[in-house]
Amino acid sequence: EIVLTQSPGTLSLSPGERATLSCRASQSISNSYLAWFQQKPGQAPRLLIYGASSRATGIPDRFSGSGSGTDFTLTISRLEPEDFAVYYCQQYGSSSWTFGQGTKVEFK
Amino acid sequence: QVQMQESGPGLVKPSETLSLTCTVSGGSINSYYWNWIRQPPGKGLEWIGYIFYTGSTNYNPSLKSRVTISLDTSENRFSLNLSSVSPADTAVYYCVRKGGFFYGMDVWGQGTTVTVSS
Repeated sequence: EIVLTQSPGTLSLSPGERATLSCRASQSISNSYLAWFQQKPGQAPRLLIYGASSRATGIPDRFSGSGSGTDFTLTISRLEPEDFAVYYCQQYGSSSWTFGQGTKVEFK
Repeated sequence: QVQMQESGPGLVKPSETLSLTCTVSGGSINSYYWNWIRQPPGKGLEWIGYIFYTGSTNYNPSLKSRVTISLDTSENRFSLNLSSVSPADTAVYYCVRKGGFFYGMDVWGQGTTVTVSS
């Protein structure tokens, strides 16, 4: 099973700042089958990025994904008030799909 | 616009079987991967497994011995059975659609809370 480790656990930032979230895999993820999700309290997760760098439908271009192999990054270029949430990475490159433990982006 | 809705008991007794159904509206179930994901209170997300529209399945190895996912194409829905439940299975359960190999899990149900308690 591929273990995904997200860092940091919590990111304290202000609106307008840049957020950089990391997701590291215990082994290489084939075909860069790595997705990012946003989850707000009481809501289902929302797909942001798939295939490491492709934005899902309707996702603003301030969200971008990058990386390959074992190291992946989600960048939010300028935080909007609605971006404060928990973010999860998820791999679907192996037969058993797994999620990272999440990074919380909170108001500084 | 595809929508998904989970349904089933909110309370299950220990050692019994948890059974949930996901009804898909606004689109056909005759395509895509159909998943179950769960989230224990205050914790992260766990993939339970999927059924492909052809009927082939793939389960989380840690749950495989207790999980069955099935498809009902005539009713445009799919189901989860999780046997021998314990309080550790208490969670919000989501049904989720995923596109082809490259694509992500793009449509989620609102989630249903299942509590395992006597």
